[in-house]
Amino acid sequence: GDSVTQTEGLVTLTKGLPVMLNCTYQTTYSPFLFWYVQHLNEAPKLLLKSSTDNKRTEHQGFYATLHKSSSSFHLQKSSVQLSDSALYFCALSAATSSGQKLVFGQGTILKVYL
Amino acid sequence: DTTVKQNPRYKLARVGKPVNLICSQTMNHDTMYWYQKKPNQAPKLLLFYYDKILNREADTFEKFQSSRPNNSFCSLYIGSAGLEYSAMYLCASSSFLGGHYAEQFFGPGTRLTVL
Repeated sequence: GDSVTQTEGLVTLTKGLPVMLNCTYQTTYSPFLFWYVQHLNEAPKLLLKSSTDNKRTEHQGFYATLHKSSSSFHLQKSSVQLSDSALYFCALSAATSSGQKLVFGQGTILKVYL
Repeated sequence: DTTVKQNPRYKLARVGKPVNLICSQTMNHDTMYWYQKKPNQAPKLLLFYYDKILNREADTFEKFQSSRPNNSFCSLYIGSAGLEYSAMYLCASSSFLGGHYAEQFFGPGTRLTVL
C-alpha cells in the first residue's frame, strides 16, 4: 500500500543555517505530495505541494522538488528562522473509491535556536 | 474564512464512557475527515465523509462512529473509551473538486485523555 517515511524525528539547528527534512514515499500510482506545518497549539497548514517531476516548488522561503526516480520530496530552506520551529508532516495523496485521502509520515520536529 | 473549528479542545474521559467530538467548517467543503494522532506517530485516518457517504478505515471500523447532520458539521463518537483512545484527534475538510491535489484544511485538534 501507499506509505510515507520521514527519517528524522527531531532536527535542531541554529538560526541562519540551512535545513533539509527528508521525505520518501511509496505508491503504485502517480504521486501527489504535500508538506504540512503545525506550530504549537495551532492547526496543521499546507506549506507546499507538488505532482510535477523535477520541478521546484517554493513557499514562504521553503522549497521542495518531487523526484519520481528516487521517490523523494525533501523539504529545504536556506536559512532557518526562530519562527520555523514547528512540526512538519510530509503526506501523499492516495485515491479511494470515494475520494482522496492523505497518508502521512510520522512528522519531523524542527527546533531552531539563537 | 478557511477555519475548521473543533470542540472541545481538551477532553477528559473515563474508561468505558462514551466520547463525542465535534468539528465544523464554513467553507462548504463536501469532504470531512477525522484523524488520530499519537506522539511520535503519523496522523492516522479514521474515517471521512464525502457528502453524506461515510467511509471508515478497515482497521478502525468498529471503534469509531461518525455523523454528519449537515454539510458544516461532523462528529466523532467513541461508544466506550479505552486507554488506547488517548490521542489528539484532528478534523479536516476539503473540496472534492480539487481531486488528488486538494488541500485539506485542518482544525487545531481535540486532545483526548482517557483515565
